[in-house]
Amino acid sequence: AQSVTQLGSHVSVSEGALVLLRCNYSSSVPPYLFWYVQYPNQGLQLLLKYTSAATLVKGINGFEAEFKKSETSFHLTKPSAHMSDAAEYFCAVNPEGNAGNNRKLIWGLGTSLAVNP
Amino acid sequence: DTGVSQNPRHKITKRGQNVTFRCDPISEHNRLYWYRQTLGQGPEFLTYFQNEAQLEKSRLLSDRFSAERPKGSFSTLEIQRTEQGDSAMYLCASSYLGQGPYGYTFGSGTRLTVV
Repeated sequence: AQSVTQLGSHVSVSEGALVLLRCNYSSSVPPYLFWYVQYPNQGLQLLLKYTSAATLVKGINGFEAEFKKSETSFHLTKPSAHMSDAAEYFCAVNPEGNAGNNRKLIWGLGTSLAVNP
Repeated sequence: DTGVSQNPRHKITKRGQNVTFRCDPISEHNRLYWYRQTLGQGPEFLTYFQNEAQLEKSRLLSDRFSAERPKGSFSTLEIQRTEQGDSAMYLCASSYLGQGPYGYTFGSGTRLTVV
C-alpha cells in the first residue's frame, strides 16, 4: 500500500538557518509528490510538486525539494529560514502516478516548523 | 476568481444536531474533494465528485454523512446527529481533470466543534 512518512513532527530552526523537512514515500508506481503548507486556521497551499520531470523542483517562497528514487525520498529544503515560514508542512503522494488524475492524495502526518529569532 | 470558498469558517453545534457546510470551487474546476483533518493529523479523504457525480466515498464517511454536488458547481456536506468525534476541520478542494497532476486548490476550511 502507498504511504507517506514525515520524519519529525516538530522541527525548530533559527532565523536564517537551513530548513530541512523530511519525507519518504512508498508507491507501487512512479509517484507524483507534493508539498503543502498550512498556516493556522487556514487551508493547505501548494508549495511545489514533482511530476516526473526534473528531480530538483523549485517552489514558492524559496522552497525546493529533490526527488531521489533510490532513497524513496522527497525532502523539502530552504537555504535560509524566515519567521514567516513557521507553519505546518505536509508531504503527499498521488498513488496513481502518471495516470494523470488527482483522484485522492495520500498524506503524511505533517511537520510543524518553528522559526526562532 | 477568488479561489475555493468554504462557508461557514467556524461552526459550533450541540451533539445530536445536524450541520451543513458549503463549498464553492474554482469555477472551471470539474473535480471537487472533501477531506477531514483532526488536530495533529494530515487530511483524510472523505469523498470526491467529478461534475455532479460522486465517484468515490471513503469508509470514513458513515451513513450520518452525505455530500452532494447537484449541478456540478458548489457542493454541500451534511452531518446528521453530530457526535463529539466529528469535531474537526473540513477541507474542500478542487481541480481540473485533464490539467494533469498539478495538485489541488484548497479552501480555508470549516472548523466544526461539537459540544
